[in-house]
Amino acid sequence: GNSVTQMEGPVTLSEEAFLTINCTYTATGYPSLFWYVQYPGEGLQLLLKATKADDKGSNKGFEATYRKETTSFHLEKGSVQVSDSAVYFCALTFSGGYNKLIFGAGTRLAVHP
Amino acid sequence: ETGVTQTPRHLVMGMTNKKSLKCEQHLGHNAMYWYKQSAKKPLELMFVYNFKEQTENNSVPSRFSPECPNSSHLFLHLHTLQPEDSALYLCASSQESGTGTPYEQYFGPGTRLTVT
Repeated sequence: GNSVTQMEGPVTLSEEAFLTINCTYTATGYPSLFWYVQYPGEGLQLLLKATKADDKGSNKGFEATYRKETTSFHLEKGSVQVSDSAVYFCALTFSGGYNKLIFGAGTRLAVHP
Repeated sequence: ETGVTQTPRHLVMGMTNKKSLKCEQHLGHNAMYWYKQSAKKPLELMFVYNFKEQTENNSVPSRFSPECPNSSHLFLHLHTLQPEDSALYLCASSQESGTGTPYEQYFGPGTRLTVT
């Protein structure tokens, strides 16, 4: 079946540290990949996406590259801020029909000053 | 503010109660979704409505009953729930083109449900 696996959190970093959150997927076809972010007390917001192999999604200093050979979509940021503290979800969906997202379990990031 | 609102934000109910969760989207989208978010588990898709027609029921127990009277409103009617149903219930919407290109889903802030 189709699934998404994320590294377990929490991830605790100091401000300005480098961030990597690992995400790998299992899929029967060629999905589109997403990172969503959930700030405390809010719903999920789309952070970035990539729809085909070797695409790089980027937004707010975050980046992720769609790697078909390793079935991965790792999230990176060069210098995190306290305001980046949130839960990050990796997700996939397939073209065709409605948009049925399959999510990973989420990774909590805590950034300290 | 994403354009998707949910009420109430918090709800405590007994196992014999009947309550409803409401979701409204102000984005002109044609698809709406209910998700369940439990601690340490992936988000679970519960129901999908596309053009007001239910297109997905992800093996959800019948004590959860969705209703979509129009493309802007979505309800989740709850009755005789169990304590394990305590979770954050998220509503989302998207504009589906029919060509299959996956578009962004916009989420509401959720309703935190506690079943006692």
